[in-house]
Amino acid sequence: NAGVTQTPKFRVLKTGQSMTLLCAQDMNHEYMYWYRQDPGMGLRLIHYSVGEGTTAKGEVPDGYNVSRLKKQNFLLGLESAAPSQTSVYFCASSYSIGLAGSTDTQYFGPGTRLTVL
Amino acid sequence: AQKVTQAQTEISVVEKEDVTLDCVYETRDTTYYLFWYKQPPSGELVFLIRRNSFDEQNEISGRYSWNFQKSTSSFNFTITASQVVDSAVYFCALTLRGAQKLVFGQGTRLTINP
Repeated sequence: NAGVTQTPKFRVLKTGQSMTLLCAQDMNHEYMYWYRQDPGMGLRLIHYSVGEGTTAKGEVPDGYNVSRLKKQNFLLGLESAAPSQTSVYFCASSYSIGLAGSTDTQYFGPGTRLTVL
Repeated sequence: AQKVTQAQTEISVVEKEDVTLDCVYETRDTTYYLFWYKQPPSGELVFLIRRNSFDEQNEISGRYSWNFQKSTSSFNFTITASQVVDSAVYFCALTLRGAQKLVFGQGTRLTINP
């Protein structure tokens, strides 16, 4: 049981290049999330998905796209990378809301460090 | 809007000292969930604890304890007899019932010196 895994661990891009970050989870979680972590700002939600085939915008979605074609995978794409997207990216997953509208714990992957030159 | 404040940016103590990390939150909702995560130097985020707004019981897990006080909107984290392995950045986070977004504090960098 690997939990949440992310590929790649590190990446350096030039401005204008594109790339896709892959997140995979083997816990059969319905919900998946992409966050970015910047110094002094904690983590901020980029996009999230409440199930296969669905995605929604988070707090800082501009410049990113996502897809959830399979329940276990959640992809984050940068179509034209900018230096402002230099950050550490974390994927997380959780069970669905559950009974009585409760909220489940989010479990995080190891992160991807992206540098855009 | 929800907000989490961790006023202590950095804390440095000597091993075996007790240390408390402060977390103050803001929300108008009556049902919410609070979390603590640990981010060691290796970079991953490790879940430590989750607390529901309707459960104000304090919790102890080994050397870790958490004090939840709704009256002061605080969810503080204490490490007793700190060890070098406790050195990490600790994040407090808040989410509402049914919400998909975790709101994080800025984090507290804790350094335990031998």
